[in-house]
Amino acid sequence: EAQVVESGGGLVQPGGSLRLSCAGSGFNFNDYSMNWVRQAPGKGLEWVSYISSSSGTIYYADSVKGRFTISRDNAKNSLYLQMHSLRDDDTAMYYCGRGKYLALWGQGTLVTVSS
Amino acid sequence: DVVMTQSPLSLPVTLGQPASISCRSSQSLVYSDGNTYLSWFQQRPGQSPRRLISKVSNRDSGVPDRFSGSGSDTDFTLKISRVEAEDVGVYYCMQGTHWPPTFGQGTKVEIK
Repeated sequence: EAQVVESGGGLVQPGGSLRLSCAGSGFNFNDYSMNWVRQAPGKGLEWVSYISSSSGTIYYADSVKGRFTISRDNAKNSLYLQMHSLRDDDTAMYYCGRGKYLALWGQGTLVTVSS
Repeated sequence: DVVMTQSPLSLPVTLGQPASISCRSSQSLVYSDGNTYLSWFQQRPGQSPRRLISKVSNRDSGVPDRFSGSGSDTDFTLKISRVEAEDVGVYYCMQGTHWPPTFGQGTKVEIK
């Protein structure tokens, strides 16, 4: 069964850094582009970042550009999101999603930015 | 960015009755390849989102056939033919035609 599992969330102070991971299994990870999508508590969905299967194409939402870096390691079937200069409004559940059109989602990992 | 506007934002429905959610985009969602990249997602309480429909009307594997999608250009609809208790949750439309991908605000479906 195809699945993606996020990890790495936690409590971090404003201005801090955190690295999220997403492990894919049950499918050929290196055939698929991947995304990060986040959801602030009680709010809707916000697309964060996209990476193509070969890492040749990368996009970011304006709200995270310059602070977040998406990457992947196809040999390890893994996707990452390095987050720096975290702000209160980055507090959210972070989901990884498979494919450009988000056919498969993980259960999410919660990032809380607070002093 | 393309703005996706859903209505209604709250939808109380009676079990066994139909339900309909509208999603309108601020620009045409027809891509240069002729496809329209409009998807619908369901998020049950306490769960992560799940895609129901892609490219306006294509149901994902395992999605009950009581769910259907229709529409074109800037105007789209998700219909549930007969609402069941497990359909409670928030439904989002999303466009993938233009960068960045954008979601509607969400429509909360609840049982009357």
